[in-house]
Amino acid sequence: RKEVEQDPGPFNVPEGATVAFNCTYSNSASQSFFWYRQDCRKEPKLLMSVYSSGNEDGRFTAQLNRASQYISLLIRDSKLSDSATYLCVVNKDAGGTSYGKLTFGQGTILTVHP
Amino acid sequence: DADVTQTPRNRITKTGKRIMLECSQTKGHDRMYWYRQDPGLGLRLIYYSFDVKDINKGEISDGYSVSRQAQAKFSLSLESAIPNQTALYFCATSDLGSRAFFGQGTRLTVV
Repeated sequence: RKEVEQDPGPFNVPEGATVAFNCTYSNSASQSFFWYRQDCRKEPKLLMSVYSSGNEDGRFTAQLNRASQYISLLIRDSKLSDSATYLCVVNKDAGGTSYGKLTFGQGTILTVHP
Repeated sequence: DADVTQTPRNRITKTGKRIMLECSQTKGHDRMYWYRQDPGLGLRLIYYSFDVKDINKGEISDGYSVSRQAQAKFSLSLESAIPNQTALYFCATSDLGSRAFFGQGTRLTVV
Protein backbone atom coordinates (compact mmCIF):
# COMPACT_ATOMS: atom_id res chain seq x y z
CA ARG A 1 0.00 0.00 0.00
CA LYS A 2 1.31 3.45 -0.89
CA GLU A 3 2.01 5.79 2.00
CA VAL A 4 -0.15 8.52 0.52
CA GLU A 5 -2.89 7.77 -2.00
CA GLN A 6 -5.05 10.17 -3.91
CA ASP A 7 -8.03 9.95 -6.22
CA PRO A 8 -6.55 9.11 -9.61
CA GLY A 9 -8.58 11.71 -11.50
CA PRO A 10 -8.48 13.45 -13.86
CA PHE A 11 -11.38 15.66 -12.95
CA ASN A 12 -12.99 17.73 -15.70
CA VAL A 13 -15.54 20.21 -14.38
CA PRO A 14 -17.32 23.31 -15.71
CA GLU A 15 -16.69 26.73 -14.28
CA GLY A 16 -18.69 27.29 -11.14
CA ALA A 17 -18.77 23.62 -10.15
CA THR A 18 -17.84 22.26 -6.76
CA VAL A 19 -15.21 19.54 -6.78
CA ALA A 20 -13.73 17.42 -4.00
CA PHE A 21 -10.44 15.54 -3.81
CA ASN A 22 -9.67 12.79 -1.35
CA CYS A 23 -6.42 11.49 0.06
CA THR A 24 -5.60 8.64 2.45
CA TYR A 25 -2.38 8.04 4.33
CA SER A 26 -1.04 4.88 5.89
CA ASN A 27 1.11 6.07 8.79
CA SER A 28 -1.03 6.83 11.81
CA ALA A 29 1.89 8.72 13.39
CA SER A 30 1.80 11.36 10.67
CA GLN A 31 2.01 14.83 12.12
CA SER A 32 1.26 17.44 9.48
CA PHE A 33 -0.85 17.58 6.37
CA PHE A 34 -0.93 19.87 3.39
CA TRP A 35 -2.39 20.45 -0.04
CA TYR A 36 -0.08 21.73 -2.74
CA ARG A 37 -0.89 22.95 -6.21
CA GLN A 38 1.34 22.30 -9.19
CA ASP A 39 0.93 23.93 -12.57
CA CYS A 40 2.25 22.16 -15.63
CA ARG A 41 6.06 22.00 -15.63
CA LYS A 42 6.25 24.27 -12.59
CA GLU A 43 7.21 23.71 -8.99
CA PRO A 44 4.62 22.68 -6.39
CA LYS A 45 3.35 25.55 -4.27
CA LEU A 46 1.65 25.37 -0.91
CA LEU A 47 -2.09 25.81 -1.21
CA MET A 48 -3.04 25.27 2.40
CA SER A 49 -2.23 23.39 5.55
CA VAL A 50 -4.83 20.97 6.89
CA TYR A 51 -5.87 21.19 10.51
CA SER A 52 -7.78 18.70 12.61
CA SER A 53 -10.68 21.07 13.06
CA GLY A 54 -10.91 21.72 9.34
CA ASN A 55 -10.01 25.01 7.75
CA GLU A 56 -11.16 27.27 4.97
CA ASP A 57 -9.39 29.74 2.73
CA GLY A 58 -11.78 31.51 0.42
CA ARG A 59 -13.24 28.93 -1.95
CA PHE A 60 -11.05 26.15 -0.58
CA THR A 61 -11.90 23.95 2.40
CA ALA A 62 -9.63 21.27 3.80
CA GLN A 63 -10.58 18.59 6.29
CA LEU A 64 -8.70 15.94 8.22
CA ASN A 65 -10.09 12.76 9.73
CA ARG A 66 -7.34 11.18 11.83
CA ALA A 67 -9.42 8.15 12.77
CA SER A 68 -9.92 7.22 9.12
CA GLN A 69 -6.52 8.64 8.06
CA TYR A 70 -8.23 10.68 5.42
CA ILE A 71 -7.75 14.22 4.06
CA SER A 72 -10.01 16.12 1.70
CA LEU A 73 -9.96 19.31 -0.32
CA LEU A 74 -13.14 20.98 -1.51
CA ILE A 75 -13.10 23.70 -4.15
CA ARG A 76 -16.27 25.74 -4.57
CA ASP A 77 -17.19 27.93 -7.53
CA SER A 78 -14.35 26.57 -9.68
CA LYS A 79 -12.42 29.01 -11.86
CA LEU A 80 -10.50 28.34 -15.04
CA SER A 81 -7.37 29.31 -13.10
CA ASP A 82 -7.94 26.42 -10.69
CA SER A 83 -6.83 24.01 -13.42
CA ALA A 84 -3.71 22.31 -12.05
CA THR A 85 -2.51 19.16 -10.32
CA TYR A 86 -3.33 18.99 -6.60
CA LEU A 87 -0.90 17.14 -4.38
CA CYS A 88 -1.70 15.72 -0.97
CA VAL A 89 1.34 15.88 1.32
CA VAL A 90 1.92 14.19 4.65
CA ASN A 91 4.72 14.72 7.13
CA LYS A 92 5.59 11.22 8.20
CA ASP A 93 7.23 11.02 11.58
CA ALA A 94 10.81 9.85 11.17
CA GLY A 95 12.63 8.02 13.93
CA GLY A 96 10.97 9.72 16.85
CA THR A 97 11.76 13.24 15.77
CA SER A 98 9.00 15.76 16.05
CA TYR A 99 9.20 16.38 12.37
CA GLY A 100 10.06 14.19 9.46
CA LYS A 101 10.30 14.05 5.73
CA LEU A 102 7.40 14.96 3.53
CA THR A 103 5.67 12.29 1.49
CA PHE A 104 3.70 13.29 -1.58
CA GLY A 105 0.71 11.67 -3.19
CA GLN A 106 0.79 11.22 -6.94
CA GLY A 107 -1.52 14.13 -7.51
CA THR A 108 -4.95 14.64 -9.00
CA ILE A 109 -5.33 16.57 -12.21
CA LEU A 110 -8.13 19.12 -12.33
CA THR A 111 -9.28 20.78 -15.52
CA VAL A 112 -11.91 23.48 -15.29
CA HIS A 113 -13.56 24.26 -18.63
CA PRO A 114 -15.77 27.17 -19.74
CA ASP B 1 14.54 36.71 -6.83
CA ALA B 2 13.41 33.22 -5.92
CA ASP B 3 13.92 32.08 -2.33
CA VAL B 4 15.06 28.65 -3.54
CA THR B 5 17.24 28.72 -6.64
CA GLN B 6 18.28 25.76 -8.71
CA THR B 7 20.97 25.66 -11.37
CA PRO B 8 20.98 24.69 -14.13
CA ARG B 9 17.32 24.90 -15.14
CA ASN B 10 17.79 22.57 -18.07
CA ARG B 11 20.58 20.15 -18.88
CA ILE B 12 21.25 17.51 -21.47
CA THR B 13 24.09 15.15 -20.69
CA LYS B 14 25.49 11.92 -22.03
CA THR B 15 25.36 8.53 -20.38
CA GLY B 16 28.29 8.01 -18.05
CA LYS B 17 28.96 11.68 -17.41
CA ARG B 18 29.12 13.17 -13.94
CA ILE B 19 26.71 16.00 -13.33
CA MET B 20 25.96 18.24 -10.38
CA LEU B 21 22.72 20.06 -9.71
CA GLU B 22 22.98 22.96 -7.33
CA CYS B 23 20.48 24.46 -4.95
CA SER B 24 20.74 27.56 -2.80
CA GLN B 25 18.18 29.16 -0.51
CA THR B 26 17.70 32.46 1.22
CA LYS B 27 14.89 31.35 3.54
CA GLY B 28 17.20 30.46 6.42
CA HIS B 29 15.75 26.96 6.75
CA ASP B 30 17.82 24.12 8.12
CA ARG B 31 15.93 21.40 6.27
CA MET B 32 16.59 20.79 2.60
CA TYR B 33 15.46 18.08 0.20
CA TRP B 34 16.02 16.74 -3.29
CA TYR B 35 13.10 15.16 -5.15
CA ARG B 36 12.66 13.82 -8.62
CA GLN B 37 9.37 13.85 -10.49
CA ASP B 38 8.42 11.44 -13.22
CA PRO B 39 5.09 11.27 -15.04
CA GLY B 40 2.71 8.97 -13.18
CA LEU B 41 5.06 8.51 -10.24
CA GLY B 42 4.72 11.81 -8.46
CA LEU B 43 7.50 13.32 -6.36
CA ARG B 44 9.99 10.87 -4.89
CA LEU B 45 12.54 11.77 -2.25
CA ILE B 46 16.19 11.23 -3.15
CA TYR B 47 18.05 12.73 -0.17
CA TYR B 48 17.31 15.09 2.67
CA SER B 49 19.29 17.04 5.21
CA PHE B 50 18.07 18.50 8.50
CA ASP B 51 21.21 20.54 9.10
CA VAL B 52 24.71 21.00 7.73
CA LYS B 53 26.09 17.84 9.36
CA ASP B 54 23.05 15.68 8.64
CA ILE B 55 22.52 13.74 5.41
CA ASN B 56 19.85 11.06 4.97
CA LYS B 57 18.89 8.78 2.13
CA GLY B 58 15.42 8.99 0.75
CA GLU B 59 13.47 6.30 -1.05
CA ILE B 60 15.50 6.38 -4.30
CA SER B 61 19.07 7.35 -3.40
CA ASP B 62 20.91 4.76 -5.52
CA GLY B 63 22.98 6.43 -8.21
CA TYR B 64 22.91 9.81 -6.45
CA SER B 65 25.01 11.59 -3.84
CA VAL B 66 24.62 14.92 -2.10
CA SER B 67 26.69 17.53 -0.36
CA ARG B 68 25.48 20.10 2.17
CA GLN B 69 28.14 22.75 1.84
CA ALA B 70 26.42 25.28 4.06
CA GLN B 71 23.01 25.91 5.54
CA ALA B 72 22.05 27.64 2.31
CA LYS B 73 23.50 25.15 -0.18
CA PHE B 74 22.60 21.56 -1.00
CA SER B 75 23.89 19.97 -4.18
CA LEU B 76 22.92 16.72 -5.87
CA SER B 77 25.38 14.70 -7.97
CA LEU B 78 24.91 11.94 -10.46
CA GLU B 79 28.27 10.21 -10.53
CA SER B 80 27.62 8.36 -13.77
CA ALA B 81 24.39 9.44 -15.40
CA ILE B 82 22.09 6.88 -16.99
CA PRO B 83 19.03 7.42 -19.19
CA ASN B 84 16.51 6.39 -16.52
CA GLN B 85 17.69 9.35 -14.46
CA THR B 86 16.01 11.60 -17.01
CA ALA B 87 13.47 13.49 -14.92
CA LEU B 88 12.45 16.80 -13.41
CA TYR B 89 14.43 17.45 -10.23
CA PHE B 90 13.27 19.71 -7.44
CA CYS B 91 15.13 21.09 -4.48
CA ALA B 92 13.04 22.14 -1.50
CA THR B 93 13.40 23.59 1.97
CA SER B 94 10.98 23.32 4.84
CA ASP B 95 10.29 25.38 7.91
CA LEU B 96 9.60 24.16 11.45
CA GLY B 97 5.95 23.76 10.52
CA SER B 98 7.01 21.37 7.75
CA ARG B 99 5.77 23.65 5.00
CA ALA B 100 7.90 23.07 1.92
CA PHE B 101 9.17 25.65 -0.52
CA PHE B 102 10.44 24.48 -3.88
CA GLY B 103 12.94 25.67 -6.42
CA GLN B 104 11.80 26.05 -10.00
CA GLY B 105 13.17 22.66 -10.98
CA THR B 106 15.92 21.28 -13.19
CA ARG B 107 14.90 19.37 -16.27
CA LEU B 108 17.61 16.76 -16.83
CA THR B 109 17.87 14.63 -19.94
CA VAL B 110 20.41 11.81 -20.15
CA VAL B 111 21.04 10.60 -23.69
